[in-house]
Amino acid sequence: KAGVTQTPRYLIKTRGQQVTLSCSPISGHRSVSWYQQTPGQGLQFLFEYFSETQRNKGNFPGRFSGRQFSNSRSEMNVSTLELGDSALYLCASSDGTSGRVDTQYFGPGTRLTVL
Amino acid sequence: AQSVAQPEDQVNVAEGNPLTVKCTYSVSGNPYLFWYVQYPNRGLQFLLKYITGDNLVKGSYGFEAEFNKSQTSFHLKKPSALVSDSALYFCAVRAARGSQGNLIFGKGTKLSVKP
Repeated sequence: KAGVTQTPRYLIKTRGQQVTLSCSPISGHRSVSWYQQTPGQGLQFLFEYFSETQRNKGNFPGRFSGRQFSNSRSEMNVSTLELGDSALYLCASSDGTSGRVDTQYFGPGTRLTVL
Repeated sequence: AQSVAQPEDQVNVAEGNPLTVKCTYSVSGNPYLFWYVQYPNRGLQFLLKYITGDNLVKGSYGFEAEFNKSQTSFHLKKPSALVSDSALYFCAVRAARGSQGNLIFGKGTKLSVKP
């Protein structure tokens, strides 16, 4: 099976702009989670989607949002970008079946630079 | 609150020697524990996980981890290190209860294996 794909791989934006990142999970996986990775804060959970519904959310401001489509592909959006949003954004997919503890498989990430 | 600690920022090992990367956790209830590895400019690769059962878990690339409930530890080990094992290693935990999407990661340990 193909792995998790994320597009684009690199992005450069300026403060105040908005950005949309895309993630295609492994075929058959219904859960998609997003994480932010920075040198200072490490890996932090943003949110998780399962069957088009947000199932869990981390401690990030409302500028960070996401959605999931019927084919399980997911997008995350960051509005009004700040310099501190510069990070590697990682998407992870898992089977997501309720009651199981699934392994999350990560994509290569999108490197966002805010100038 | 759930947390993971990786007490060593960096571990240096000579090729052929055994390696240990340490991880301790704090979680309410039974923990689900994971190890991931990250190579430069790449996403995270799953190595192994502990859910229940045998305290010694075997994973990918010859890695194994030992779960110790009394010491709340989940150390990653490999009998004979390779130069290609040099990378950033992350321990992660999720409580048995709660959403599947929320992994709590340690800060990471940089493993350097010298020839």
